[in-house]
Amino acid sequence: EAGVAQSPRYKIIEKRQSVAFWCNPISGHATLYWYQQILGQGPKLLIQFQNNGVVDDSQLPKDRFSAERLKGVDSTLKIQPAKLEDSAVYLCASSLNGWGGYSYEQYFGPGTRLTVT
Amino acid sequence: GENVEQHPSTLSVQEGDSAVIKCTYSDSASNYFPWYKQELGKRPQLIIDIRSNVGEKKDQRIAVTLNKTAKHFSLHITETQPEDSAVYFCAPQRGAGGGADGLTFGKGTHLIIQP
Repeated sequence: EAGVAQSPRYKIIEKRQSVAFWCNPISGHATLYWYQQILGQGPKLLIQFQNNGVVDDSQLPKDRFSAERLKGVDSTLKIQPAKLEDSAVYLCASSLNGWGGYSYEQYFGPGTRLTVT
Repeated sequence: GENVEQHPSTLSVQEGDSAVIKCTYSDSASNYFPWYKQELGKRPQLIIDIRSNVGEKKDQRIAVTLNKTAKHFSLHITETQPEDSAVYFCAPQRGAGGGADGLTFGKGTHLIIQP
């Protein structure tokens, strides 16, 4: 079974520039998550999609971050304009639709390491 | 939101000894309790999980115990090996499935296995 794919793996930009990350979840996984992991910390949820609808974006800094999941499969996360504190690894994860009160395992992609200078 | 604390932040044990990491959470509605292992430069991977209707679960050298009354759960690793060296995260979840069920991660415990 193919895992969660992400690109690019590394990105270096200057502050105030824009950047976009792409994620392709495991085939058949309806739920997709974006997490931000700052060095030395645990991942922090930014946004959750169920198919192509947003379920939770309460921790997404909406003044500069945006995300979409067109057609309920691939997703892109964008930062515009970037700040120094956005330097982090951006992890995408996917899981089966957890209907019926059952939580399924989340599978993580390799992440995109963003450095903002 | 959920407050999650892990202890200790760093744990050094001799190879072959046991290691225990504790996770305390605040949301009494949490009903799913996974532990993730993250090696340096790699993605988090689920190593064991437990649900609120179970008190303990074992998988070879790894076990998780849950105390819902006290709102904490622990990871136990026996007969530690060098490949167990990594950062371990707890991530209690309140999701009922089909709704907002993103994980709230603790700050992590750096486990070091001394040869």
